[in-house]
Amino acid sequence: GDSVTQMEGPVTLSEEAFLTINCTYTATGYPSLFWYVQYPGEGLQLLLKATKADDKGSNKGFEATYRKETTSFHLEKGSVQVSDSAVYFCALNNNAGGTSYGKLTFGQGTILTVHP
Amino acid sequence: DVKVTQSSRYLVKRTGEKVFLECVQDMDHENMFWYRQDPGLGLRLIYFSYDVKMKEKGDIPEGYSVSREKKERFSLILESASTNQTSMYLCASSTIGDGETDEQYFGPGTRLTVT
Repeated sequence: GDSVTQMEGPVTLSEEAFLTINCTYTATGYPSLFWYVQYPGEGLQLLLKATKADDKGSNKGFEATYRKETTSFHLEKGSVQVSDSAVYFCALNNNAGGTSYGKLTFGQGTILTVHP
Repeated sequence: DVKVTQSSRYLVKRTGEKVFLECVQDMDHENMFWYRQDPGLGLRLIYFSYDVKMKEKGDIPEGYSVSREKKERFSLILESASTNQTSMYLCASSTIGDGETDEQYFGPGTRLTVT
């Protein structure tokens, strides 16, 4: 079945540091890929997405590129802020073989803490 | 603004009780989902529904049931709560769109403790 693997956390950075959170996936066909973010005490919200190979999703200074050859969708940000402290989830939607009803397969989440 | 609401933010129940978690969305979405979130395990799908009165099992349906009598409301039922069901429960909804790539919108979650 489909699966998503994220880098082990937690990740602790100083403000203005460069961030990378690795995400790799296993799926048949051509899934859509997502990054969701969960701020403390809140539900998840979509951060960015990419629907086909070589697409780059971007939002709020975060970027991720859909790499089919390496089955990866790594999240990056050039300069993190304290307000970026949250849990980040990589996810995929695989419609191979028929309707998926929009089901998502999530990674285990990576906790990011940014210190001033 | 899109909105998914859940009936309680925090809930404490005793072992063996029947527990109802309610979720309402105001976006006229066809699809609704129930997940549980546990540290190190990410989000795991319990049940989902793609239409009124339609439901499908997710990855971990054991010990749970669901009800969708109206399009906007999706209920998760713990028939006889057990301590291993202590968790954060998240509801989400999405619409049917082009290429099945639509975003899921999440509620704030219900943290359930079973003692």
